[in-house]
Amino acid sequence: DAKTTQPPSMDCAEGRAANLPCNHSTISGNEYVYWYRQIHSQGPQYIIHGLKNNETNEMASLIITEDRKSSTLILPHATLRDTAVYYCIVRVGGGQAGTALIFGKGTTLSVSS
Amino acid sequence: GAVVSQHPSRVICKSGTSVKIECRSLDFQATTMFWYRQFPKKSLMLMATSNEGSKATYEQGVEKDKFLINHASLTLSTLTVTSAHPEDSSFYICSAQNTGEQYFGPGTRLTVT
Repeated sequence: DAKTTQPPSMDCAEGRAANLPCNHSTISGNEYVYWYRQIHSQGPQYIIHGLKNNETNEMASLIITEDRKSSTLILPHATLRDTAVYYCIVRVGGGQAGTALIFGKGTTLSVSS
Repeated sequence: GAVVSQHPSRVICKSGTSVKIECRSLDFQATTMFWYRQFPKKSLMLMATSNEGSKATYEQGVEKDKFLINHASLTLSTLTVTSAHPEDSSFYICSAQNTGEQYFGPGTRLTVT
C-alpha cells in the first residue's frame, strides 16, 4: 500500500501558484520524498525529490516539514500544461539503488484560464 | 536527462495471440527495469522488477507465465503478453533505474479484441 495521503483533486487558476500537499507520517529516516506527475496517456514524469531540506529546481519547489511527516509541492506559476495527476511517493533512494516506486492515487490538478 | 523509450506505442491484437513490448534506456545503462500496468482512471500498478541477466521478480497476483519478462542487456527489457485476452487490455509502462533514480517510458496502449 502507498505510504502517502494526498487530496484527490485540486483546482488552480493559470498563473497562480499551485500548492499540492502530501502526508507521509510513517516515513522512515532513510526514505526520500519523490514527486512525479502524469499527463493523460503518458508515462510519469519526474519532478523533484528531497530528504529533509527544501529543494528547488526549474519545475517546482519542495517544502518538507521539520518532522518530515508532510510536504508540499509548489508550482510557482501554473500553466494549462501543468494539468496532470501528481503523485507523492516515499522511497529509499536519492543516489542509492532503490526499490520500485509504488504509486498511490495521487492528486488530479486542474489548471484553468 | 535520462530517456526511456517504448515500442510500440499502441498495439491492437486478437484474443489468443501474443504481444511483445520493448523498453529501452537510450542514454544510460539500467541494471534494473520495472514494468507497470494502468487501467483507465486508475493509478499505476507494479507488475514486476527485472534485473539484467536474472529472472524477474513478479508482484503478488501477476502471472509470470502470462507476462514474460526478459532483460538480456543493460539497455533493453521486453514484456511479452502471452495468449492475450480482452481483460489484458491496458496501458503498460516501463521504467529504468539509473543510480537509484527511475525514469519512465511513454507507455504502450494494448487493446485485445
